[in-house]
Amino acid sequence: KNEVEQSPQNLTAQEGEFITINCSYSVGISALHWLQQHPGGGIVSLFMLSSGKKKHGRLIATINIQEKHSSLHITASHPRDSAVYICAVEGAGHNTDKLIFGTGTRLQVFP
Amino acid sequence: GAVVSQHPSRVICKSGTSVKIECRSLDFQATTMFWYRQFPKQSLMLMATSNEGSKATYEQGVEKDKFLINHASLTLSTLTVTSAHPEDSSFYICSARIPRNEQFFGPGTRLTVL
Repeated sequence: KNEVEQSPQNLTAQEGEFITINCSYSVGISALHWLQQHPGGGIVSLFMLSSGKKKHGRLIATINIQEKHSSLHITASHPRDSAVYICAVEGAGHNTDKLIFGTGTRLQVFP
Repeated sequence: GAVVSQHPSRVICKSGTSVKIECRSLDFQATTMFWYRQFPKQSLMLMATSNEGSKATYEQGVEKDKFLINHASLTLSTLTVTSAHPEDSSFYICSARIPRNEQFFGPGTRLTVL
């Protein structure tokens, strides 16, 4: 079993829909990252969070440390949101720079 | 956010040659840089952690002599794929971070070995 699990693996949506991507992890962490990878390959860091909730524009990320679970929400989705969304965690411990990656969620938003 | 560049973005080479990929943090000093490899439709696989002024720390199963990493300054790390073979063809991504802060990823380098 992977230390970081994401669901769903694939997701399709109509433009305007509210989208939720889930991430569960089994290790103690110091922080959790949400990343976005577009078809060209480039990766953008969306959020880094260790508690509570963060919001950037139409994106919202939440984390529940007790339940070892995080969600990424996209409101009013748009075709340009189509990408792979990756959850990654930093383990708690002396070497907290390394990221443990989930397998990603491939999102397609249709007009 | 901070910017990390990679050069080249795409390289095609013949089997047996060596290829160098550069990773630069453009507007911040990165004490730690990371090198990843990604196969199609798979997640990133950490190859090594590169610390400025010291030897890189390689992940299990990554050949040090095959993938040479040099972190010569706080803004530059290089990955050299030595004696490249077709199985080394992949997408290589670097990232850089300020301690306890986000990681900033480069745009990646697609290597094709013929």
